[in-house]
Amino acid sequence: EAQVTQNPRYLITVTGKKLTVTCSQNMNHEYMSWYRQDPGLGLRQIYYSMNVEVTDKGDVPEGYKVSRKEKRNFPLILESPSPNQTSLYFCASSAPGRTGPEKLFFGSGTQLSVL
Amino acid sequence: QKEVEQDPGPLSVPEGAIVSLNCTYSNSAFQYFMWYRQYSRKGPELLMYTYSSGNKEDGRFTAQVDKSSKYISLFIRDSQPSDSATYLCAMSLGDYKLSFGAGTTVTVRA
Repeated sequence: EAQVTQNPRYLITVTGKKLTVTCSQNMNHEYMSWYRQDPGLGLRQIYYSMNVEVTDKGDVPEGYKVSRKEKRNFPLILESPSPNQTSLYFCASSAPGRTGPEKLFFGSGTQLSVL
Repeated sequence: QKEVEQDPGPLSVPEGAIVSLNCTYSNSAFQYFMWYRQYSRKGPELLMYTYSSGNKEDGRFTAQVDKSSKYISLFIRDSQPSDSATYLCAMSLGDYKLSFGAGTTVTVRA
């Protein structure tokens, strides 16, 4: 089954404790991206990657890191989490190079709480 | 001012009613206009897209774009309880940087 898998689904942590949220896709997609979803603000892009070893900042990159060492994996790293990073996070992937709009495939989300 | 404005609702309608959702935007360069549906505790999934002004139908769903007014709409006919979800509009310049609306939560009452 084609899917984007995020782990963990729920995470509670404390300020300053480094964490990683994993994302993996099995569709051989070149494009991957991370979003955060907050009430009233919608989905905002954190980082994206057009291919292996190619990453770029989205609209809200501060406090986050990413890496793309393999095509299928795109982990999100919070080196020193703060309470304002409490949010619902989504990983998404897509296959560029086709005509038409970007059809993003989303994971099921990671609810992060930073105390 | 946000690039994409969407009324968050919530919207509650009886089964069988027509649901009307809309978004306005400020960037006239947007090329693609999309609607994503998000069920509770799930990721969004693409419902419909269009790239020109006018209407596009897919079953009970109609997407409408008015580029002159910078306004897009989604209509759901004969709404069903299974349509209860959050609907997000999204727009793109064609460069994979989507701008999303805040989402409208819809509940269809049986």
